[in-house]
Amino acid sequence: ETGVTQTPRHLVMGMTNKKSLKCEQHLGHNAMYWYKQSAKKPLELMFVYSLEERVENNSVPSRFSPECPNSSHLFLHLHTLQPEDSALYLCASSQGDNSPLHFGNGTRLTVT
Amino acid sequence: GNSVTQMEGPVTLSEEAFLTINCTYTATGYPSLFWYVQYPGEGLQLLLKATKADDKGSNKGFEATYRKETTSFHLEKGSVQVSDSAVYFCALNPSGSARQLTFGSGTQLTVLP
Repeated sequence: ETGVTQTPRHLVMGMTNKKSLKCEQHLGHNAMYWYKQSAKKPLELMFVYSLEERVENNSVPSRFSPECPNSSHLFLHLHTLQPEDSALYLCASSQGDNSPLHFGNGTRLTVT
Repeated sequence: GNSVTQMEGPVTLSEEAFLTINCTYTATGYPSLFWYVQYPGEGLQLLLKATKADDKGSNKGFEATYRKETTSFHLEKGSVQVSDSAVYFCALNPSGSARQLTFGSGTQLTVLP
């Protein structure tokens, strides 16, 4: 398997649930990213990990909690979300900070 | 701050029609400019890029020219196909760092047979 793989593809959760999104990259990259894509809005960068250290956190609410256990895996832990958090969550990776991003297919999250 | 403005969609064209999707930007200095494409059910893919004024990026029949005087990077294709139906995102990077990548809102293109 190659590229950037995200699971699950779709997730429906209630506001009191706890769930996690998973991202795995098979490209040997050393940086990983979480983006939020909402309808008719620009992509919003949420978190960046470089060499497994978080280097960017763009004022994301604490109900989103990232985890990067190694350079190939990235998680986004979700708890007590709001309906406005419903969106497509995209994971990306790159080799260093100056190379192109490679995106996964995203997880479509619906909060009810 | 940095920003990217794209023409609002959706854009609907017949197969073999000429495509233009407008993109203008605001940035300090000399950013790199990009077009990304998102096919249905997929993530974004880099389509083309230009790193300095008057550069032309091209890929898969698509072209865009970095126009510093008009701060624009319009996407064009001479003859679209049904398979080009997707969402197209213009983006800029002021510093070379992927963390600084700023995206437009995207333009939905539908090509009818």
